[in-house]
Amino acid sequence: DAGVIQSPRHEVTEMGQEVTLRCKPISGHDYLFWYRQTMMRGLELLIYFNNNVPIDDSGMPEDRFSAKMPNASFSTLKIQPSEPRDSAVYFCASSLALYGGINTEAFFGQGTRLTVV
Amino acid sequence: RKEVEQDPGPFNVPEGATVAFNCTYSNSASQSFFWYRQDCRKEPKLLMSVYSSGNEDGRFTAQLNRASQYISLLIRDSKLSDSATYLCVVNGNTNAGKSTFGDGTTLTVKP
Repeated sequence: DAGVIQSPRHEVTEMGQEVTLRCKPISGHDYLFWYRQTMMRGLELLIYFNNNVPIDDSGMPEDRFSAKMPNASFSTLKIQPSEPRDSAVYFCASSLALYGGINTEAFFGQGTRLTVV
Repeated sequence: RKEVEQDPGPFNVPEGATVAFNCTYSNSASQSFFWYRQDCRKEPKLLMSVYSSGNEDGRFTAQLNRASQYISLLIRDSKLSDSATYLCVVNGNTNAGKSTFGDGTTLTVKP
């Protein structure tokens, strides 16, 4: 397996523009996570899905952020409109639920480095 | 209080030193625990899982103390290549599947 695949790797956009980040989880994994990492705030969980259903979106900073998972092999994180404070590295990760509800470790994609100017 | 708290660091140690990191978690019902390593400008990667009985992988030893709700990572005979940020990770209970990451502790091993 190629691991978790994210695109694009880098994105530079102007304030006010829409940004869409993409993620392909590891085949067979039933959990998908979106994280944001900055120097100031560390690694923050934005939202996660189980079997394509959003379970917890309490980490989504505001209504400008939305995430979808239309099928088991694809998810998007959209920011509309983008602002300079959204500049960060956005990671997608996936994991597998084991017996008893315990998950395997999360496998991360290489991240999307977003810069909003 | 954060759900997962780590030593703030940074830790600067000479090659060959032994260094220990601690991590505390607030949810007593947490089920699984991990240490991840993150190199500069890279994604976090699993270093090792942490079991109740403690586990060792070469120079690395992880311990879990459920009563006190803390996790530790010990690195012996540290190498230059151990320089990275180490993240403590706690997974939720039931079927939540939610991983909560600590802020990480940065280790720099110097010649």
